[in-house]
Amino acid sequence: KAGVTQTPRYLIKTRGQQVTLSCSPISGHRSVSWYQQTPGQGLQFLFEYFSETQRNKGNFPGRFSGRQFSNSRSEMNVSTLELGDSALYLCASSYDKYNEQFFGPGTRLTVL
Amino acid sequence: SQQGEEDPQALSIQEGENATMNCSYKTSINNLQWYRQNSGRGLVHLILIRSNEREKHSGRLRVTLDTSKKSSSLLITASRAADTASYFCGLFPQGGSEKLVFGKGTKLTVNP
Repeated sequence: KAGVTQTPRYLIKTRGQQVTLSCSPISGHRSVSWYQQTPGQGLQFLFEYFSETQRNKGNFPGRFSGRQFSNSRSEMNVSTLELGDSALYLCASSYDKYNEQFFGPGTRLTVL
Repeated sequence: SQQGEEDPQALSIQEGENATMNCSYKTSINNLQWYRQNSGRGLVHLILIRSNEREKHSGRLRVTLDTSKKSSSLLITASRAADTASYFCGLFPQGGSEKLVFGKGTKLTVNP
């Protein structure tokens, strides 16, 4: 089976812009979760989608949003970028909640 | 806080030695999972241990779980330079929000 893929791998944006990140889960996995990783805050949960519905949400402002398509692919969007949004954004897929998560390689976002 | 806390924060050992990392938490859990992350890359799932299990093995890895002490440990035996990475425990709290919560990790360096 192909692993979790994320695109793009690297992204440089300026403050105020918006960005969309994409994640393709492992075939057959319906749960997709997103995490933000920074040196200061570590790994923080953003949200989880299951069968096109947001099932869980972390403590992030409304500038962070996401969606899941019928083929389980997921996108996350960050609007009005701030310097503090610079991070590694990781997507993980799993068969269902509580299962092992399979992570993609991440998208490294740099906000200038 | 629902997240686990890994201890130590950093560990440096010689090839061939054993490495032990600990994870403590404060809430009841559904399961606890250990992951490895090589520098700046996605996380790789190592072992999932359920709340009713006490020990699990996978190759050179051994994970124990003590729910009465709310702690888990990851033992890597006969470590290799390739084991150099950050190790994270993630836990699914029981009840409440069903999201995988990670600690800050243990940075393991195995010197050849």
